[in-house]
Amino acid sequence: DTGVSQNPRHKITKRGQNVTFRCDPISEHNRLYWYRQTLGQGPEFLTYFQNEAQLEKSRLLSDRFSAERPKGSFSTLEIQRTEQGDSAMYLCATKTGAGGRSDTQYFGPGTRLTVL
Amino acid sequence: AQTVTQSQPEMSVQEAETVTLSCTYDTSESDYYLFWYKQPPSRQMILVIRQEAYKQQNATENRFSVNFQKAAKSFSLKISDSQLGDAAMYFCALNYGGATNKLIFGTGTLLAVQP
Repeated sequence: DTGVSQNPRHKITKRGQNVTFRCDPISEHNRLYWYRQTLGQGPEFLTYFQNEAQLEKSRLLSDRFSAERPKGSFSTLEIQRTEQGDSAMYLCATKTGAGGRSDTQYFGPGTRLTVL
Repeated sequence: AQTVTQSQPEMSVQEAETVTLSCTYDTSESDYYLFWYKQPPSRQMILVIRQEAYKQQNATENRFSVNFQKAAKSFSLKISDSQLGDAAMYFCALNYGGATNKLIFGTGTLLAVQP
C-alpha cells in the first residue's frame, strides 16, 4: 500500500451518465496527478495540481472532464455524459514536490471505469 | 516530443534466473530522470528504481539494476535471481521536467516468472 487511496475501485455505468472519482493523497504531498490507462497501454497524463491550483490539463481531457482539488487535499475527477471510449483505469499519483523531477510519484490503486 | 518505447510486450524467466527488460526513450532535454515502475496484477504501481541522467553510474536496488546508455537513449532493467513475486507489468517512464514533472510512460512489458 503506497498510502494513496482511490474510490471507488470499480465503477460500471451506462453511456451518458456522469461519474465522479476521488483520490486521497499522502497527507504531506502537495502535488497531485491524474493519469488514464487503457488496456495494453501505459498511463497517460491527464491533469496536474499543485496544492489547490490546477496547473496543466492534457488535450486528452475533453470538456466533459473536470477535476478539482479543494483546499489542496483530496481531488475529484468527474466525467460527464460518459462514452464507451472513456472505459479505462484512472490513476491518481501524488508527491511532495520538494525534490523536483527526482521525486517519486506514489500511485493509488486506480478506479476502473466500464461504460456500457 | 518526449517518447518512451518498450519493444517487448511480454517476457518470461525461470525462477532464480536473470532477465533484462528493454526501454528506449527520446528527449531533447539534457537533465531528466528515468524510472522503472512495477504494476502487479490488481495492485498499485510502485517504483522499482530510478536513474538521474547526469549520473554516469548505473542505479542499483538489491536485485534490480539498470543499464543506462545516455548516448543511445537506452535504459534497460535487469532483474537478478528472479522470484515469483516479480511477476508483473513493468513500465519505463521519463520525467523531463517542464512545469509539472509529469511522467511519460512506455507501453509496458508483462513479465512472467516460471517456477
